[in-house]
Amino acid sequence: EDKVVQSPLSLVVHEGDTVTLNCSYEVTNFRSLLWYKQEKKAPTFLFMLTSSGIEKKSGRLSSILDKKELFSILNITATQTGDSAIYLCAVITSGTYKYIFGTGTRLKVLA
Amino acid sequence: DAGITQSPRHKVTETGTPVTLRCHQTENHRYMYWYRQDPGHGLRLIHYSYGVKDTDKGEVSDGYSVSRSKTEDFLLTLESATSSQTSVYFCAIRRGGVTGTTQETQYFGPGTRLLVL
Repeated sequence: EDKVVQSPLSLVVHEGDTVTLNCSYEVTNFRSLLWYKQEKKAPTFLFMLTSSGIEKKSGRLSSILDKKELFSILNITATQTGDSAIYLCAVITSGTYKYIFGTGTRLKVLA
Repeated sequence: DAGITQSPRHKVTETGTPVTLRCHQTENHRYMYWYRQDPGHGLRLIHYSYGVKDTDKGEVSDGYSVSRSKTEDFLLTLESATSSQTSVYFCAIRRGGVTGTTQETQYFGPGTRLLVL
């Protein structure tokens, strides 16, 4: 059975801290891995990762994929209260284009 | 927002009644998805569609049916609503590359909050 596991489930940090969120997966026919941020509404896209070892960056956020060890990390540096959200990881499978989501990591950043 | 709307946005219904949720898109995307989101479970796929009249089950399809008679509309029906179907329902479309080398992602509708009493 395909599955995506995220850790930790929740995290509380102070502004300025750096956090690392983890996503591991076991799927057949891996195609890509995506990260989303969900505040109070629908998830919004952050990154798509297809190749191992290539870091994607957007401002203070960065992410990398390891296809040998089957995991990805999302780093957030110099956290701000606006980073408080649920961060979702999803894996796309080839052929069916199904997106398999992890349970998410709830991040709370305190001022 | 990729032109995705969901209706209704909120609904309260009673156990045993049928409920239909509508997802409408304006960009002619082939793939459409229905998810439910519950605390501790993340997003779980109910059904998805890969074209008009082409649908398939997701991981939590029991008690739900779907129909797609037009590209722009994907309907989710709870045949006989139960309290366990109280949830937030998201519709999504897939937008992006065919080869996998170009950016692809899902864009989500605003969600429907359903309460089954």
